[in-house]
Amino acid sequence: GESVGLHLPTLSVQEGDNSIINCAYSNSASDYFIWYKQESGKGPQFIIDIRSNMDKRQGQRVTVLLNKTVKHLSLQIAATQPGDSAVYFCAETRTGSYGKLTFGQGTILTVHP
Amino acid sequence: DAGVTQSPTHLIKTRGQQVTLRCSPKSGHDTVSWYQQALGQGPQFIFQYYEEEERQRGNFPDRFSGHQFPNYSSELNVNALLLGDSALYLCASSWDRPSYNEQFFGPGTRLTVL
Repeated sequence: GESVGLHLPTLSVQEGDNSIINCAYSNSASDYFIWYKQESGKGPQFIIDIRSNMDKRQGQRVTVLLNKTVKHLSLQIAATQPGDSAVYFCAETRTGSYGKLTFGQGTILTVHP
Repeated sequence: DAGVTQSPTHLIKTRGQQVTLRCSPKSGHDTVSWYQQALGQGPQFIFQYYEEEERQRGNFPDRFSGHQFPNYSSELNVNALLLGDSALYLCASSWDRPSYNEQFFGPGTRLTVL
């Protein structure tokens, strides 16, 4: 594989802090964006999604922001907990693709107690 | 509901061998997609099965093939294994819809090619 793929961006925060994870997407035709959490030894777990006609969506302790002008997506986690430590991926898909996902590189989030 | 299940959990093969990985979708789901996740990277789409047919395919060689059974379970076959095929292979299931539909992922099969 490519060496750049082994150097995932990392984010270290203290328990209770807010975390912001960023992602750039590439396909202007994408109209759904999803954030996944992947813990060691597990498959990706759905966190939250957002449709392209929205610029913000909130869930429980999480908020996703979408900026279509610059093709940028962010995930905000409030009051980060040690259990939030994982790799976070953004993914994009588009209507007509039957859910085929294109994933970004991922960010390693480490939460220190 | 057991969710998406995959077997085996881990597998070690040597170059040139063939491997078959298995996936059972979440109850009620009829569409299965397979992804390859190399170490330190995001998952990459291999192909998707619906109604026992390959509906769409990513940029993977013909050495990667699959099958879907009438009960919606699926297999991924890889022939003539290369060292670069070492990865976590993920299965995702969903209901069939042309628009976005949440994909539920299994825990994956870790394949090591020596």
